[in-house]
Amino acid sequence: NAGVTQTPKFQVLKTGQSMTLQCAQDMNHEYMSWYRQDPGMGLRLIHYSVGAGITDQGEVPNGYNVSRSTTEDFPLRLLSAAPSQTSVYFCASSPNHGREQYFGPGTRLTVT
Amino acid sequence: EDQVTQSPEALRLQEGESSSLNCSYTVSGLRGLFWYRQDPGKGPEFLFTLYSAGEEKEKERLKATLTKKESFLHITAPKPEDSATYLCAVQANTDKLIFGTGTRLQVFP
Repeated sequence: NAGVTQTPKFQVLKTGQSMTLQCAQDMNHEYMSWYRQDPGMGLRLIHYSVGAGITDQGEVPNGYNVSRSTTEDFPLRLLSAAPSQTSVYFCASSPNHGREQYFGPGTRLTVT
Repeated sequence: EDQVTQSPEALRLQEGESSSLNCSYTVSGLRGLFWYRQDPGKGPEFLFTLYSAGEEKEKERLKATLTKKESFLHITAPKPEDSATYLCAVQANTDKLIFGTGTRLQVFP
């Protein structure tokens, strides 16, 4: 099993550009989530999904969109990148909400 | 306000020098407390889940314990490969999951 995979590993965007961060898992987990990690702050939840077709907002959802058309994939879209979105982004999956989560390797995003 | 605080922020140990990391929490009802290990440039790796006060879990040189207000991650006779950032996360009854900022552990030979 590959576990949770994320692409790309690194990305540089200019302010105003849009892009999609990809996340996939092969563990048949129902719950998937996106976090951002910034220096001096704990992981913060952006969006999450409890199953295909169901998504909800986390703690810091502004500027991001998600969709969940399959159990395996959970892409994160940045609509119009801003320097405040410079961060490391982690996707995670879990058998269900409230259980341990398995994280991907992360995407380091820089917005100039 | 729900809060998770980890201490110390950073810890330097000599190989073999046992110590403990602390995770104190204030949440509206605890559903579970999670410990993760994160190596530089990688995603967090799950270590333990604790659900109720008095519970303990062990894995190799690591032992996690839980009280009603805090959790400890005890590291016995650490090795350099135990160097990492250790994250604590608390799930409240509201389903909210709150991560601490982590303890950066360095173990020197």
